[in-house]
Amino acid sequence: EVQLVESGGGLIQPGGSLRLSCAASGFIFNNYEMSWVRQAPGKGLEWVSYISSSGSAIYYADSVKGRFAISRDNARNSLYLQMNSLRAEDTAIYYCAKDSSGLEHWGQGTLVTVSS
Amino acid sequence: QSLLTQPPSASGTPGQGVTISCSGSSSNIGSNIVNWYQQLPGTAPKLLMYGYHQRPSGVPDRFSGSKSGTSASLAISGLQSEDEADYYCAAWDESLNVYVFGTGTKVTVL
Repeated sequence: EVQLVESGGGLIQPGGSLRLSCAASGFIFNNYEMSWVRQAPGKGLEWVSYISSSGSAIYYADSVKGRFAISRDNARNSLYLQMNSLRAEDTAIYYCAKDSSGLEHWGQGTLVTVSS
Repeated sequence: QSLLTQPPSASGTPGQGVTISCSGSSSNIGSNIVNWYQQLPGTAPKLLMYGYHQRPSGVPDRFSGSKSGTSASLAISGLQSEDEADYYCAAWDESLNVYVFGTGTKVTVL
């Protein structure tokens, strides 16, 4: 059974940094592309970032480019999102998702709240 | 501002059909496959449809998808109470190299 478990969320002050992790199991992690998607309270889905299976191709939404960095450790079956210079508008639930013919499996998400 | 536009809401009585539209452009829907996601209240999104009309295992055939030019549609036939959820279309945009979600449609079963 595919499982994706996000962690690392919490309350952080504006301008601060946070690193999210996503632990994957139940599939051959290094065969699959992965993405991060977020959802602000009461709002729709917003794609954040994508990484290819080897990590050689990476893309970001304009809203986070230059502030966020996606990475993966295939030996540890883990996906990461380093978030710097956080703003109030980054407050959201962050989901990691396995990318295969669409975002076919999602974690339960981790809440990031940016507030002073 | 999303590149994919959906109606904010749709509704129907049990047993009826509902169709949700998704309007994009030549660089996203016009060039790439469209995926549809369902998000039940308080839960993570779930892939409902991928490609033009492929359903992941477990998704009932009451759900069907179609695409024409730069628009796509999701049809739900035989509406059931458990279909009450938010629905999002999505596609890769090859001009911007971003994955774009639609604005979302809340389906209410009356």
